[in-house]
Amino acid sequence: DSGVTQTPKHLITATGQRVTLRCSPRSGDLSVYWYQQSLDQGLQFLIQYYNGEERAKGNILERFSAQQFPDLHSELNLSSLELGDSALYFCASSDGWTQYFGPGTRLLVL
Amino acid sequence: GQQVMQIPQYQHVQEGEDFTTYCNSSTTLSNIQWYKQRPGGHPVFLIQLVKSGEVKKQKRLTFQFGEAKKNSSLHITATQTTDVGTYFCAVATGANSKLTFGKGITLSVRP
Repeated sequence: DSGVTQTPKHLITATGQRVTLRCSPRSGDLSVYWYQQSLDQGLQFLIQYYNGEERAKGNILERFSAQQFPDLHSELNLSSLELGDSALYFCASSDGWTQYFGPGTRLLVL
Repeated sequence: GQQVMQIPQYQHVQEGEDFTTYCNSSTTLSNIQWYKQRPGGHPVFLIQLVKSGEVKKQKRLTFQFGEAKKNSSLHITATQTTDVGTYFCAVATGANSKLTFGKGITLSVRP
């Protein structure tokens, strides 16, 4: 158990819909990262927050957004969903160099 | 930015055989990290290498950072079925910074 929690574990939705994925980092970790894992693209960095502020952006689509709240939990919002958004979404937190990954949310868009 | 490559993406070995995989970059890396993801699981940090030529061991796993800091290797001695999973190398641009992952190598072990 990494100490990072993510909800929900599984999500099935339809194209065009909007979903919110939630992540709680390890106690004391200020950095939260979101990654997307698909079979063809591997692990892709989406976005990072540090102590409530956006620190880095990766290959995140404009339809996707995220935020980190004062209690340091983070949410990833995915809207206007397409079939290609089906993937495993991981959240990770870090205490510096090591990243600790949550169990992931498996999203299936039908 | 720093990119890392892992080839091949899949490897099958007989239990008890040794296994070696590589992570390569065209540029000098400041560090390299290795993660393992079991089937159905999430990536788990294994090790970080920072110094040129650095070698670190974890039981049957040996990690090495190249002298030129452009490649890294992971060697597993006498593989076991518990070694199955995908091994990723990754590079961080600094502390509290994003990781850029290689595509990973998925290891299967025949009992």
